[in-house]
Amino acid sequence: GEDVEQSLFLSVREGDSSVINCTYTDSSSTYLYWYKQEPGAGLQLLTYIFSNMDMKQDQRLTVLLNKKDKHLSLRIADTQTGDSAIYFCAEKDAGNQFYFGTGTSLTVIP
Amino acid sequence: GAVVSQHPSWVICKSGTSVKIECRSLDFQATTMFWYRQFPKQSLMLMATSNEGSKATYEQGVEKDKFLINHASLTLSTLTVTSAHPEDSSFYICSAGWADTQYFGPGTRLTVL
Repeated sequence: GEDVEQSLFLSVREGDSSVINCTYTDSSSTYLYWYKQEPGAGLQLLTYIFSNMDMKQDQRLTVLLNKKDKHLSLRIADTQTGDSAIYFCAEKDAGNQFYFGTGTSLTVIP
Repeated sequence: GAVVSQHPSWVICKSGTSVKIECRSLDFQATTMFWYRQFPKQSLMLMATSNEGSKATYEQGVEKDKFLINHASLTLSTLTVTSAHPEDSSFYICSAGWADTQYFGPGTRLTVL
């Protein structure tokens, strides 16, 4: 299967911006996704981007895609304590198969 | 929109018993549903892909006789863990495919004593 990699941990201070990074290997990705998982809960879809887009903004969330480098990032502006969670990136290939990253645990320090 | 429910949210059972978990798409029809298993502090492990009206496709290493999947309608898929043992204790999450993405249920925590 394809590899989707994320750093495991990120800590930021409340009010700062968070940037969570993801790299992938599949050159035939069609869509790329960011999900949020709070403790004991399922995954909540935050946002997704079509592979021919460079950027997508949705309120405090900004997704940047560098298709050449196969690099995806999620920026959370004005990070709040409620943003503390695990964030998964995922990509869908041309065969509609999903591949999930290892997850990044975001801790927001008050 | 695109809400997926799971039932039960948690279950405790004795070793050797079978447990059924339901996954429902509440406001859309899902021809494809997915079943994942998640170990503590780890990513999702895809167990099987369930297509309405046909047999599920299991990932390598997943015993299809142990984890029975039925996708009888466009809004319901079930996962039955047969003859459960303590090593089957885990967090099971389903998702439903719709509009180029997957929408996840809240998960079911299974504990086998």
